[in-house]
Amino acid sequence: EIVLTQSPGTLSLSPGERATLSCRASQSLDTFLAWYQQKPGQTPSLLVYGASTRATGIPDRFSGSGSGTDFTLTITRLEPEDFAMYYCQQYSNLPLTFGGGTKVEIK
Amino acid sequence: QVQLQESGPGLVKPSQTLSLICSVSGDSITIGGYYWAWIRQYPGKGLEWIGYIYYSGTTYYNPSLKSRLIISLDTSKNQVSLNLNSVTAADTAVYYCARSDYYYNWFDPWGQGTLVTVSS
Repeated sequence: EIVLTQSPGTLSLSPGERATLSCRASQSLDTFLAWYQQKPGQTPSLLVYGASTRATGIPDRFSGSGSGTDFTLTITRLEPEDFAMYYCQQYSNLPLTFGGGTKVEIK
Repeated sequence: QVQLQESGPGLVKPSQTLSLICSVSGDSITIGGYYWAWIRQYPGKGLEWIGYIYYSGTTYYNPSLKSRLIISLDTSKNQVSLNLNSVTAADTAVYYCARSDYYYNWFDPWGQGTLVTVSS
């Protein structure tokens, strides 16, 4: 099973700041990685797939990068609605697995 | 636009079977190109893929649950079912159904989720 490690666990930032979230895999994923956002009390929603392709309707302040074992989700200027949990998910191998999440909270 | 809605009992007793239904609207589950998946989220927020099924009936399960799990389709009702037997408190979670691309298994969209508590 591929283990995904997300860091940091919590990111405390102010609106307008840049957020950098990391996801590291226990083995190479090529670019078979997705990112999800989950707001409090809501369902996870797809942000990025293929490591760097934004899902439909996702603003361009969200960008994904990386390949192999190291991936990054960057939010260039945090908007109030961006404070949420973020999860990465690999689809390189079964079983499909998720990272433990990064919480982006208001400082 | 496809929508998914989970339903089922919110409380299940230990050792019994957890049974959930995912009702799909806006698309037919018999159209190829997608898997129909179950995912759960523990109270501590971790996410776990449970398994998925293709319209042909082909299933893939998480090995950690395989011995207790059946995922099936009811094509006449456009529904996907999950049955997990011999449940314990560790199976307490929010259960989501979601659609997954056949080749690239990200999940989009997701249902609203349903909380299942295992307790006597």
